[in-house]
Amino acid sequence: LAKTTQPISMDSYEGQEVNITCSHNNIATNDYITWYQQFPSQGPRFIIQGYKTKVTNEVASLFIPADRKSSTLSLPRVSLSDTAVYYCLVGGYSSASKIIFGSGTRLSIRP
Amino acid sequence: ETGVTQTPRHLVMGMTNKKSLKCEQHLGHNAMYWYKQSAKKPLELMFVYSLEERVENNSVPSRFSPECPNSSHLFLHLHTLQPEDSALYLCASSQESSGSPLHFGNGTRLTVT
Repeated sequence: LAKTTQPISMDSYEGQEVNITCSHNNIATNDYITWYQQFPSQGPRFIIQGYKTKVTNEVASLFIPADRKSSTLSLPRVSLSDTAVYYCLVGGYSSASKIIFGSGTRLSIRP
Repeated sequence: ETGVTQTPRHLVMGMTNKKSLKCEQHLGHNAMYWYKQSAKKPLELMFVYSLEERVENNSVPSRFSPECPNSSHLFLHLHTLQPEDSALYLCASSQESSGSPLHFGNGTRLTVT
């Protein structure tokens, strides 16, 4: 299983860009990188998924270097409602049992 | 709004009770999961069903018994639980082998007294 390492917590202010980096040194060739967001007492919500280079959607961007041993979730112009726990997961989805969550990054946004 | 619906949202039960958690997905997915999230801990994968067959059972105590009658429904039957079983129980679904991400319900907050 590819293990991920990400900061336990981060703080930022409204309107700033926030970048959360995840390390996954033993990522396998067929592994995707997926990020989820979780608010208290709710299930995690899918944010973005990528395999290599850069992926962008309406809420975030995901940057993946050529060696794929890390990835960076970028949240543009955060607001108070972006305060949540963010999880980085690595897996090939060829087997459902490989989807393991780490501790995530607790992001706090201040006014 | 999530495509995965869990009931009830909250449940309080005594250690001698028997109860069941229900999950229904409306996304046409072929895999369903139960996760447990205790306070300030990562999500723990409990059970995985793929094409209605259990493919993963992560050393979960027998007082938790899953059931998957069809690809849209998943149950977690609970009996003689312990106070340390109090947690948020989350159901998720996905389309296996397609790279699709997990879709979670909002969970059942279980308190065992």
